Amino acid sequence: GDSVTQMEGPVTLSEEAFLTINCTYTATGYPSLFWYVQYPGEGLQLLLKATKADDKGSNKGFEATYRKETTSFHLEKGSVQVSDSAVYFCALSLFSSGSRLTFGEGTQLTVNP
Amino acid sequence: DTAVSQTPKYLVTQMGNDKSIKCEQNLGHDTMYWYKQDSKKFLKIMFSYNNKELIINETVPNRFSPKSPDKAHLNLHINSLELGDSAVYFCASSQTSVEDTQYFGPGTRLTVL
Repeated sequence: GDSVTQMEGPVTLSEEAFLTINCTYTATGYPSLFWYVQYPGEGLQLLLKATKADDKGSNKGFEATYRKETTSFHLEKGSVQVSDSAVYFCALSLFSSGSRLTFGEGTQLTVNP
Repeated sequence: DTAVSQTPKYLVTQMGNDKSIKCEQNLGHDTMYWYKQDSKKFLKIMFSYNNKELIINETVPNRFSPKSPDKAHLNLHINSLELGDSAVYFCASSQTSVEDTQYFGPGTRLTVL
């Protein structure tokens, strides 16, 4: 079945450090790919998305590129802030599967001042 | 102006009780979902409705019964609650005929004692 694998956390960085959270997927078809973020005590917010190969999603300084050849969608940010501390989820969606979101395990990011 | 709302935000109850969680979206979307987030933050689809029709029904105990009175509402009723039902339940919605981005509610934290 379809699946998403994220790098294991937690990840702890200092402010202004470079962030990479790895995400790879397995899917029977051509999925849309997403990064969602969950701040403490809150629901999930869409961070960025990409719907086809080589698309780059970007938002709030975060970027991820849909790499079909490596089935990856790694999240990057050049300079993290304390306010970026949250849990980050990589996810895929396939219309053939009723457009359900299949999530990775989530990666807890803590940014220290 | 909340897009996807859920009530209640917190629900504490005894084993064996029956409880409901309500979800409403004012985005005009045609599809709504229920996801369960366990204690390790893992998110998994439970149900999905499109225009009041059930389209996804994952391997969920039949103690869980979704009901969609209209396409703006999707409620989750749980009978004979068990300790293992303790989790955060998220409602989401999307306009599947246009795009596949799902918008999430704030979640309902269910604690079964």
